[in-house]
Amino acid sequence: GAVVSQHPSWVICKSGTSVKIECRSLDFQATTMFWYRQFPKQSLMLMATSNEGSKATYEQGVEKDKFLINHASLTLSTLTVTSAHPEDSSFYICSALLAGGRGWQETQYFGPGTRLLVL
Amino acid sequence: QKEVEQDPGPLSVPEGAIVSLNCTYSNSAFQYFMWYRQYSRKGPELLMYTYSSGNKEDGRFTAQVDKSSKYISLFIRDSQPSDSATYLCAMSSNTGGFKTIFGAGTRLFVKA
Repeated sequence: GAVVSQHPSWVICKSGTSVKIECRSLDFQATTMFWYRQFPKQSLMLMATSNEGSKATYEQGVEKDKFLINHASLTLSTLTVTSAHPEDSSFYICSALLAGGRGWQETQYFGPGTRLLVL
Repeated sequence: QKEVEQDPGPLSVPEGAIVSLNCTYSNSAFQYFMWYRQYSRKGPELLMYTYSSGNKEDGRFTAQVDKSSKYISLFIRDSQPSDSATYLCAMSSNTGGFKTIFGAGTRLFVKA
């Protein structure tokens, strides 16, 4: 199956610093990638949709200046949490959209997630 | 009304039991239906995906879609302790741009 990686898998940082998370599709090209946030025992919350070569589309209530997304290539999207604060501590998960072909549907494949702890 | 409704559980069953997980949805525009499995502190893993109404089987897993009732199910036969995880239903449409909606997830515990 399609593989999506994320780096780092976990990060601890001080309040006020910025953290960059990378999401890579390893064996396919992804025009579209998604960034989610997940709190303990809760479902996925879509933060933004990232399209290669264009600006990301943010969901309502997500600060685009706080969560900077760059989708510079067909295999890499990055999420930068700027001036992180303790309330930004969460599990961040990316997914990449595998485009459908004849007889196949478009399908999202998820990365393993990045756990962020802001002290 | 939420677009997707899924009972969060937890659901606890003995090893070997048949597990039935379900979701209902309200938007008839959804075309694709998926089930993801998520272990604690891991990203969701795609288990099953279907496009049309009917059944799809893969090993111990069977996905069922009933578009007329807007109801999807995942059955797990001969459940194992390693099946203990959160199961998320998801559905997508490509009308006006690709969009996926996830259920809240059902936590499943399979006891040895």
